[in-house]
This record gives sequence, C-alpha cells and structure tokens, in this order.
Amino acid sequence: NAGVMQNPRHLVRRRGQEARLRCSPMKGHSHVYWYRQLPEEGLKFMVYLQKENIIDESGMPKERFSAEFPKEGPSILRIQQVVRGDSAAYFCASSPLGDRASPLHFGNGTRLTVT
Amino acid sequence: GQQVMQIPQYQHVQEGEDFTTYCNSSTTLSNIQWYKQRPGGHPVFLIQLVKSGEVKKQKRLTFQFGEAKKNSSLHITATQTTDVGTYFCAGRTGANNLFFGTGTRLTVIP
Repeated sequence: NAGVMQNPRHLVRRRGQEARLRCSPMKGHSHVYWYRQLPEEGLKFMVYLQKENIIDESGMPKERFSAEFPKEGPSILRIQQVVRGDSAAYFCASSPLGDRASPLHFGNGTRLTVT
Repeated sequence: GQQVMQIPQYQHVQEGEDFTTYCNSSTTLSNIQWYKQRPGGHPVFLIQLVKSGEVKKQKRLTFQFGEAKKNSSLHITATQTTDVGTYFCAGRTGANNLFFGTGTRLTVIP
C-alpha cells in the first residue's frame, strides 16, 4: 500500500518561473491537504481539497498560488512567477473520505528553491 | 484566527533525562493530534486525543489533553537519541483543516 507520493522531491526554479508540485494521496483517500514549512519553522496550512472541490483555502496567498485536485490524477499545487520567499518545503497529506478524526498521512515533501 | 502555540521552541537534554512540550490553543479543540518530524523528514502521526482530560501512553511517551480542551502536553521519560526531532501538536476546531503548533525541536545529547 503505497503512501502519499509527492514529486519532485527537489525543485529549483529561477525567479519568475512557474513551479508545479504534485501529490498522489494514499489509495482510498480523497482528502488532500497542503502545508508549507520554512526552514526551522512549523507547518503552515495552505489549502484543503476533496476530489474536484476546494474546501478551505484560507491559508493560500491570494495571488500566484492555486491548487486543484481533479477527478483523475494527482493534486497539483501551482506557484506562478516564483519569488525567493517561496523557497520552502511543501508537504502534502491525505486522509480517508469523510473521517474528520483520522490522522494525516504525509508525503516526503517537495523542497522548492528559488534562485 | 486559529493559533496553536508550543513551548519551548527548542530543548536540549542529556540522554536519559525527561522532556516535556506544551501545546496551547486560543480556541477549544475538538481533538488534538501529535506528530513527530525527524530532521530532513516528514511529519509522522503519533497519537490522537479526543476526550477532555484524556491521558494516553505509548511506551516512554505520555500524552495529555487538558480539561478545557485548549491545551495538551507530551512527556518523554528517559530520552534516547532516537527521540531526536521536532514534535508538533495539531488541533481541529470542528472544521476539517488541521492547524499545527509551532513545534518543539528536541536535541538529545548522548
């Protein structure tokens, strides 16, 4: 039973380019969460999605950031026109359908470096 | 907005000493979870507490949920080098999104 898969593990982008981070949840999980972690800091909630729906995006910056979780395929976190401040580890986590009390299963993260 | 604070931010202990991290929420939580993140790794779920005043144990780890469901603690007895990492509490207020605490980074000196 494969865990949460994130790719790429490491991503380097120049300022102004686009970054696309992918997350495949665990089998049977239809809830996906994205978190950002700056070096030496905690996990900051960004967005919570179910299949084809954004449930809570209160942690997403209003500009340049978007997320989707299509019916088929992985969840995508997209950052347009990246800036140096976007450099961070981005973690995706998943949980089973309709189970508010279940723990989150995290992927290994994508470490984004903006040069 | 939802805030979950943890203290201390850092803790260095000699191997064999005890360790405690405290978690405080600005609002009442429906449940609280604890995660451990090893250096360079990803958060891994440890335990969940749901009831007011609940206490759970996992070997040398003791987890407690406050009576008002606004605070929690994790206590490790006789730390080992394998305990090194950052410990996060995470709480829900009722909605599905999970807010993480600021974390406590534990260093164990052999």
